Amino acid sequence: KNQVEQSPQSLIILEGKNCTLQCNYTVSPFSNLRWYKQDTGRGPVSLTIMTFSENTKSNGRYTATLDADTKQSSLHITASQLSDSASYICVVSGGYNKLIFGAGTRLAVHP
Amino acid sequence: DTAVSQTPKYLVTQMGNDKSIKCEQNLGHDTMYWYKQDSKKFLKIMFSYNNKELIINETVPNRFSPKSPDKAHLNLHINSLELGDSAVYFCASSQSPQGASRETQYFGPGTRLLVL
Repeated sequence: KNQVEQSPQSLIILEGKNCTLQCNYTVSPFSNLRWYKQDTGRGPVSLTIMTFSENTKSNGRYTATLDADTKQSSLHITASQLSDSASYICVVSGGYNKLIFGAGTRLAVHP
Repeated sequence: DTAVSQTPKYLVTQMGNDKSIKCEQNLGHDTMYWYKQDSKKFLKIMFSYNNKELIINETVPNRFSPKSPDKAHLNLHINSLELGDSAVYFCASSQSPQGASRETQYFGPGTRLLVL
């Protein structure tokens, strides 16, 4: 069964700290993996997209990693800011027109 | 200049009513989508259109009927609304059908539907 599981479900950190969010998937075949950020009350916004051959991809303070062998990805946020408070959604593509969404990790950054 | 826009932003209605949500994108994309996000924040794809043709039709009650008058618009009509239809509905677009390509999918701001 094609699944995308994210952990933790929710996370609270202090401003300025780093954090790492996890995504494990069982989607096959695998085409690419995406991380989205969804602010409260808004639509998701794409952060990174990685294909099978890419191990890491950065977007500012966001760095995503991908291990296609173990079917794991992580999203690392460096020097967190209050504006990083959002849900982070991992999405795995299993080929043409096949996107499997994770349930997301809710991150709260406190001052 | 909103890339993907939806109307209305909020929709409160009674059970049994029929309602429509409209979506427009000005990105020149060929593919548009409707997603449903439930109270647990889980996004599920409902429909996808490519060049006005239906290419994804997930297991959705036939009370939901999408319509794409042109590539820039994808509307969602819902008949006989039920309590369980309460959710946030997101429209999205991309240059080509998602999956094999690396192209980014752009989401609208969402329509919050509450059925009483």
